[in-house]
Amino acid sequence: AQKVTQAQTEISVVEKEDVTLDCVYETRDTTYYLFWYKQPPSGELVFLIRRNSFDEQNEISGRYSWNFQKSTSSFNFTITASQVVDSAVYFCALSEGSGRNQFYFGTGTSLTVIP
Amino acid sequence: ETGVTQTPRHLVMGMTNKKSLKCEQHLGHNAMYWYKQSAKKPLELMFVYNFKEQTENNSVPSRFSPECPNSSHLFLHLHTLQPEDSALYLCASSLDFIAYNEQFFGPGTRLTVL
Repeated sequence: AQKVTQAQTEISVVEKEDVTLDCVYETRDTTYYLFWYKQPPSGELVFLIRRNSFDEQNEISGRYSWNFQKSTSSFNFTITASQVVDSAVYFCALSEGSGRNQFYFGTGTSLTVIP
Repeated sequence: ETGVTQTPRHLVMGMTNKKSLKCEQHLGHNAMYWYKQSAKKPLELMFVYNFKEQTENNSVPSRFSPECPNSSHLFLHLHTLQPEDSALYLCASSLDFIAYNEQFFGPGTRLTVL
């Protein structure tokens, strides 16, 4: 079974709209870490955020915000007032706290922001 | 150079060729990774090196052979590949092989096997 599910394969929004990218994860570990990465057309995955399983506080960084809910095993990512430069593939990943830094990635959500 | 660099950025090879991919990290990290990224599939972890020792080999065919001469350099040697091996190969590094460390990625090598 896939440990990280990103059900949205592709999303298109018009510039300045808000958009939420969904991420659902599955783990039996009580300690784990969740990550979001952005992959622009250049190919390099860019780290955006890490969230620990014991910290459910939502986080905001500029136009980006993350909603972590353990009750629903979700770690959703919202971009407010989207811009063309936000067009990329976004990946959610899980690292389980069993000591090894093995990432389980979702299949990614391709976001296109239309000017 | 900063971050994680990979060369070449693009590679086209025949099934009988031998080639190598190179990765270098300038972050002072101790763990390095090779991933394969194919369309519509999650990133597949291939190999992990921690302090130059291979710690993970996720059932990767022997036609892929990794080498880690030091903590800053990682190679992926390729020989007798198949067309289905065409993909984006990404290198990453992290401080060490502990669960909470974010991984930093290079730009990848786009490999096409004819």
